[in-house]
Amino acid sequence: DGGITQSPKYLFRKEGQNVTLSCEQNLNHDAMYWYRQDPGQGLRLIYYSQIVNDFQKGDIAEGYSVSREKKESFPLTVTSAQKNPTAFYLCASRGQGDQPQHFGDGTRLSIL
Amino acid sequence: RKEVEQDPGPFNVPEGATVAFNCTYSNSASQSFFWYRQDCRKEPKLLMSVYSSGNEDGRFTAQLNRASQYISLLIRDSKLSDSATYLCVVGGFSGGYNKLIFGAGTRLAVHP
Repeated sequence: DGGITQSPKYLFRKEGQNVTLSCEQNLNHDAMYWYRQDPGQGLRLIYYSQIVNDFQKGDIAEGYSVSREKKESFPLTVTSAQKNPTAFYLCASRGQGDQPQHFGDGTRLSIL
Repeated sequence: RKEVEQDPGPFNVPEGATVAFNCTYSNSASQSFFWYRQDCRKEPKLLMSVYSSGNEDGRFTAQLNRASQYISLLIRDSKLSDSATYLCVVGGFSGGYNKLIFGAGTRLAVHP
């Protein structure tokens, strides 16, 4: 089935540790996105990529990094500089033109 | 002013009620409009696109008023399973990129 796969579903980070969240899509979409959602809050855009080897900072990029070496993959690294990483992280992709976004089922990150 | 604004609710309604959500957006050049549904601790899922002429999908009707920069979602004959957060989403070009902007969502609770 076509879709977006995020892994792991749950992740725990120790202090000072970098962790990487995986996002893979087989929808042949050019654009991919990472959002953060805190309890009871809306989505906040961390990074987005319109095409391979290109990405842009969103509204809350500090403490995060991404890469886009392949069309299918857009991993997000939560660095030790992100002091409050506990949140629900959502990856999305979008086809060309005015198409809607499709979301993966998310990764919940907590601090140990 | 937020780019996409929604009444956060919650809207508490009995089964069978009709409920309407409103959404306003600030970018007059916006080109695409959607309603998403998000269940607790899950990813957002596309409910329906919103077209200029208005559109209906079963019990759900979406309307767009470009002059007033206003979108609405009407749910008729509410079911318990309609309980969720409804996200208004607006797309258009910003900073040279085609982006979707998510509202913070309106919570709906349908009770017996």
